[in-house]
Amino acid sequence: DADVTQTPRNRITKTGKRIMLECSQTKGHDRMYWYRQDPGLGLRLIYYSFDVKDINKGEISDGYSVSRQAQAKFSLSLESAIPNQTALYFCATSDATGGPNQPQHFGDGTRLSIL
Amino acid sequence: GNSVTQMEGPVTLSEEAFLTINCTYTATGYPSLFWYVQYPGEGLQLLLKATKADDKGSNKGFEATYRKETTSFHLEKGSVQVSDSAVYFCALSPPGSNDYKLSFGAGTTVTVRA
Repeated sequence: DADVTQTPRNRITKTGKRIMLECSQTKGHDRMYWYRQDPGLGLRLIYYSFDVKDINKGEISDGYSVSRQAQAKFSLSLESAIPNQTALYFCATSDATGGPNQPQHFGDGTRLSIL
Repeated sequence: GNSVTQMEGPVTLSEEAFLTINCTYTATGYPSLFWYVQYPGEGLQLLLKATKADDKGSNKGFEATYRKETTSFHLEKGSVQVSDSAVYFCALSPPGSNDYKLSFGAGTTVTVRA
């Protein structure tokens, strides 16, 4: 979905480095999400945000932090990267006004490799 | 808790073959159910959804029916094309949810050969 932009698309880094993945959206949605995708595990929720002042942990938040700098921007940080955080990371948004049946809109992902 | 189980892949088919991907769920009450598709190098996009029992979602020749008696939401397409090669995810949104979190299945990789 071109309305949800993730940067960078690919990143290779070393163990112990601090990494920031960025997500911006032009859809005007309040809700934003960060997921990681691993083969055979599907997508797992890391953090989600209802608005700028509302940040919530997902099922696998350990080792990650987030910042919602504005309604349109939601960044994910790995403070000290470790190899098992190698994965494909997705940002998503959804429109709260339509209720829980509204779809989530995904960016094209960031492929992160930690050596 | 809420969870989704979908058939393991990979699935390899010939063009014009019939495709079924099984999905069953565990949830309290009646969740909303979704199928998302991920084409190579892209993010997930909604394929279809159903929000109550016996609803049928459909899009791009794909269909899925919400079956509460079997807690299932199987995806079907009668005649697949090479362009249907993708990873398919079943997902649910719990009933009465205020945070609209989705629980995803593990994904099923489908390859269609010409």
